[in-house]
Amino acid sequence: NAGVTQTPKFRILKIGQSMTLQCTQDMNHNYMYWYRQDPGMGLKLIYYSVGAGITDKGEVPNGYNVSRSTTEDFPLRLELAAPSQTSVYFCASRLSNTGELFFGEGSRLTVL
Amino acid sequence: AQTVTQSQPEMSVQEAETVTLSCTYDTSESNYYLFWYKQPPSRQMILVIRQEAYKQQNATENRFSVNFQKAAKSFSLKISDSQLGDTAMYFCAFMNYGGATNKLIFGTGTLLAVQP
Repeated sequence: NAGVTQTPKFRILKIGQSMTLQCTQDMNHNYMYWYRQDPGMGLKLIYYSVGAGITDKGEVPNGYNVSRSTTEDFPLRLELAAPSQTSVYFCASRLSNTGELFFGEGSRLTVL
Repeated sequence: AQTVTQSQPEMSVQEAETVTLSCTYDTSESNYYLFWYKQPPSRQMILVIRQEAYKQQNATENRFSVNFQKAAKSFSLKISDSQLGDTAMYFCAFMNYGGATNKLIFGTGTLLAVQP
């Protein structure tokens, strides 16, 4: 029972590099989310999707892009990494008509 | 816009004692969900308990219970018989009920340390 799977778990990037954080869920959830968690802070919403082909911005979308070509996958793209993007990133999913979010284990990204 | 406030950055409790974590929120909506999530050192986010705003009865899950005061917009978490495994960051969260964009809004968290 995999749930929500994120890769990689850890990554170090140089300023200006690009990368994609992968997120896959096997629960057939329509709603998927990307959050970032800065040290000592709560989670802030970056982007979300209510179904395949539909995405929208959250609170802190600048510097990120997403796509949702399938129900299962919701990758997060960083095009030009900046030190301000050093954070732990969480992907989450949920059924359309319930409130419970299922989270991945997080991806720790450091930009130097 | 909705906001969630956790005014206790850190708390400590002795094993087997009871501790209450505070949370207040601000919304003009009448229907919504409230949650408490636990984040242990492993970083995994784990749902502890949820409360639907239309329900007057406070939610309970084993040693975890909430005190939901809708008029005061307060949603505190009580942990009874604290265990060492309860040591974690606890986040209060709010979500509107219904609509196409049910985003979860988190507070800044309370770090709970259970002392042996």
